[in-house]
Amino acid sequence: AAGVIQSPRHLIKEKRETATLKCYPIPRHDTVYWYQQGPGQDPQFLISFYEKMQSDKGSIPDRFSAQQFSDYHSELNMSSLELGDSALYFCASSMLRGSGTEAFFGQGTRLTVV
Amino acid sequence: KQEVTQIPAALSVPEGENLVLNCSFTDSAIYNLQWFRQDPGKGLTSLLLIQSSQREQTSGRLNASLDKSSGRSTLYIAASQPGDSATYLCAVRQERNRDDKIIFGKGTRLHILP
Repeated sequence: AAGVIQSPRHLIKEKRETATLKCYPIPRHDTVYWYQQGPGQDPQFLISFYEKMQSDKGSIPDRFSAQQFSDYHSELNMSSLELGDSALYFCASSMLRGSGTEAFFGQGTRLTVV
Repeated sequence: KQEVTQIPAALSVPEGENLVLNCSFTDSAIYNLQWFRQDPGKGLTSLLLIQSSQREQTSGRLNASLDKSSGRSTLYIAASQPGDSATYLCAVRQERNRDDKIIFGKGTRLHILP
């Protein structure tokens, strides 16, 4: 069965550079969530999209932006990278927002800022 | 604001023992509760999903219970094995105020002693 695909799996960037993380949800899933997990931390909600529109916003820095495209894939853009942005970034998808269906998580993108 | 708490933060038990991990949440307006396993530096593996209308779910040696009214869930692991060593995360999908996000606890780091 198709799962949530994230790319790249690993990314190394220098401070002040820009990074773009991509997420391909499970087909027919209409909701995408982004999470950030720092070393030794629990995943923190960043932002979510429903039917290509931003639906909820969490603790996402102003330097980050995200969008969901017509094919439902989503991209998280991170600018002016800081050392503290080094983390594992997860994407999840689900269908039928508000229905309580299961959310499926990708394997994550490990971002290292040096 | 929904808060998810997991107790204990860390647990070491000899192989073969049965054990219980605890999760509590402050807002009972949830769609479901999900238990995940995470190995160091790796992604999230979904173990069990309990819908808000359900009381428990079982998969192999794992059994998860949910008491929505009291805001509690437990994950029971029978006959623990060294391969069960990992961090176990509890997450609730909340439905308050038209929000639809998944909130994680900080996890329980489990170490099974051979």
